[in-house]
Amino acid sequence: KNEVEQSPQNLTAQEGEFITINCSYSVGISALHWLQQHPGGGIVSLFMLSSGKKKHGRLIATINIQEKHSSLHITASHPRDSAVYICAVSRPNFGNEKLTFGTGTRLTIIP
Amino acid sequence: NAGVTQTPKFRILKIGQSMTLQCAQDMNHNYMYWYRQDPGMGLKLIYYSVGAGITDKGEVPNGYNVSRSTTEDFPLRLELAAPSQTSVYFCASSLASGDSYNSPLHFGNGTRLTVT
Repeated sequence: KNEVEQSPQNLTAQEGEFITINCSYSVGISALHWLQQHPGGGIVSLFMLSSGKKKHGRLIATINIQEKHSSLHITASHPRDSAVYICAVSRPNFGNEKLTFGTGTRLTIIP
Repeated sequence: NAGVTQTPKFRILKIGQSMTLQCAQDMNHNYMYWYRQDPGMGLKLIYYSVGAGITDKGEVPNGYNVSRSTTEDFPLRLELAAPSQTSVYFCASSLASGDSYNSPLHFGNGTRLTVT
């Protein structure tokens, strides 16, 4: 079993829908990262969080340390949100050199 | 600021050939990383560096070498290319890295390498 599991693997939705992508992990962590990989291949860091909730524009990331679970929400989804969303966790006493990555959730937003 | 710049974007190598993937960042980040991304797999760390002159192996270092002579540059060398090295390679950097103070990764646009 992978240490970081994402669900769903693929998600197709209509423009305007509220989107939720989930990330569950089985190890202790010091931080959780959400990344966005566009169809062209480039990767952008969206959030890094260790507790609670963060918001940036239409994107919201939450984390529940006790349940070892994080969610990424997109409100009022738009076709430009179509991308692969990747969750990664860093271990206690380590930094980015010990990141464990999920395999990603491919999101497609249909106009 | 250009951020993290990787070259080339695409490359096809024959088995046994060598090449260097270039990576440069202009954000004065101490930490730099090389990852490979294979279909259906999460990113895997090849090598990383915590500053000029200091490098260390990641999870999948075999078949690769790195150097870090300056803060800005972190090239990845493939010696004797093999089909198993067909992958997409990403360079990344971060300002800090540690349990008490971590910072987000900044990625380059990737290099798609095919070894035939």
